[in-house]
Amino acid sequence: RKEVEQDPGPFNVPEGATVAFNCTYSNSASQSFFWYRQDCRKEPKLLMSVYSSGNEDGRFTAQLNRASQYISLLIRDSKLSDSATYLCVVNTDTGNQFYFGTGTSLTVIP
Amino acid sequence: DADVTQTPRNRITKTGKRIMLECSQTKGHDRMYWYRQDPGLGLRLIYYSFDVKDINKGEISDGYSVSRQAQAKFSLSLESAIPNQTALYFCATRGRAGATSLGSYNEQFFGPGTRLTVL
Repeated sequence: RKEVEQDPGPFNVPEGATVAFNCTYSNSASQSFFWYRQDCRKEPKLLMSVYSSGNEDGRFTAQLNRASQYISLLIRDSKLSDSATYLCVVNTDTGNQFYFGTGTSLTVIP
Repeated sequence: DADVTQTPRNRITKTGKRIMLECSQTKGHDRMYWYRQDPGLGLRLIYYSFDVKDINKGEISDGYSVSRQAQAKFSLSLESAIPNQTALYFCATRGRAGATSLGSYNEQFFGPGTRLTVL
């Protein structure tokens, strides 16, 4: 069983739409959770950390549900520049290793 | 200048050749990582190091070795390259330097990647 699973998509949405991605993780002792963004042929970059209470950064909202072991990312008012692959990342309880999902592809259409 | 650099950026080699990929960082971070990325498989950890005397195997270390020559340098070697090692390789760093919170301490900073093709 994979440590982290994501729907690969692709998600094709019009500008201005709201889109949500989910990610599930298998290790109930996982401690830290993140969403990274990766543009085509580029390196991943941190989009936001995910906190237990949920957190928001502008148009982006991240939620964590420990009971169901899933993480979500909500993007409101999608922009063309949001087109990318979004990676769900989970840190093990020892803090030593990070597990990456395969990524969810988003294309925002004019 | 980029904080995390990788050389070479692209490499084509033949089966059986020895290849070294290099990573350097100016972030002052103690932790460094090597990942490979394959379509449909995401990023998978090959090796990681917490300082020059600490090397640890990751999820897929077979066929690879690493060297932490200094805090700022972490090299990945393929002793005898094979075609299924064709992938995009990323180096990453993480550390206390510059961290203002637990969240920023846990952030990983990636190099631009090395695209390796083994024929």
